[in-house]
Amino acid sequence: EAQVTQNPRYLITVTGKKLTVTCSQNMNHEYMSWYRQDPGLGLRQIYYSMNVEVTDKGDVPEGYKVSRKEKRNFPLILESPSPNQTSLYFCASSPGTGKKTEAFFGQGTRLTVV
Amino acid sequence: LAKTTQPISMDSYEGQEVNITCSHNNIATNDYITWYQQFPSQGPRFIIQGYKTKVTNEVASLFIPADRKSSTLSLPRVSLSDTAVYYCLVGSLLNAGGTSYGKLTFGQGTILTVHP
Repeated sequence: EAQVTQNPRYLITVTGKKLTVTCSQNMNHEYMSWYRQDPGLGLRQIYYSMNVEVTDKGDVPEGYKVSRKEKRNFPLILESPSPNQTSLYFCASSPGTGKKTEAFFGQGTRLTVV
Repeated sequence: LAKTTQPISMDSYEGQEVNITCSHNNIATNDYITWYQQFPSQGPRFIIQGYKTKVTNEVASLFIPADRKSSTLSLPRVSLSDTAVYYCLVGSLLNAGGTSYGKLTFGQGTILTVHP
């Protein structure tokens, strides 16, 4: 089944403790991206990657890191989480062919930083 | 990046046709118009995408006028399960000559509520 898989689905952590949210897609997509969703602010893009070893900042990259060493994986790293990073996070992938923006989203990771 | 403007909310009844319009006055030549549906605590789901004129699939139609400064998502005969947030997204994933266009910005979305 074609899908984008995020882990974990739920995570409660403490301020300053490094964490990684994994994202994996099995569709051989070139494009992958991370979003956070907060009430009243909609979906905001954190980072995106057009292909392996190519990453770029979205609208809200501060406090986050990403890497794209393999086509299928695009982990989101919070080196020193803070309470304002409490949010619902979504990973997405897209074929990236031509100009089209059809994307497939994961089920989300609800992160709470206390 | 093209900014999008949608109504914050809409109400409808089962069996009716619903039209949600999105305004995107500064759409670029390379941009596509894409609509997504999102249920609470789930990831957005692709509905339909178009560049110009009309596109139809098994769940919706997308109408785009010649100037491409707006678009209308049409949902025929909605049911209670169509209650969701609908997002209009304008952008492109074109990667040309070393310049990438992968920065995609979602608008605030339209909360559609379908009543019995």
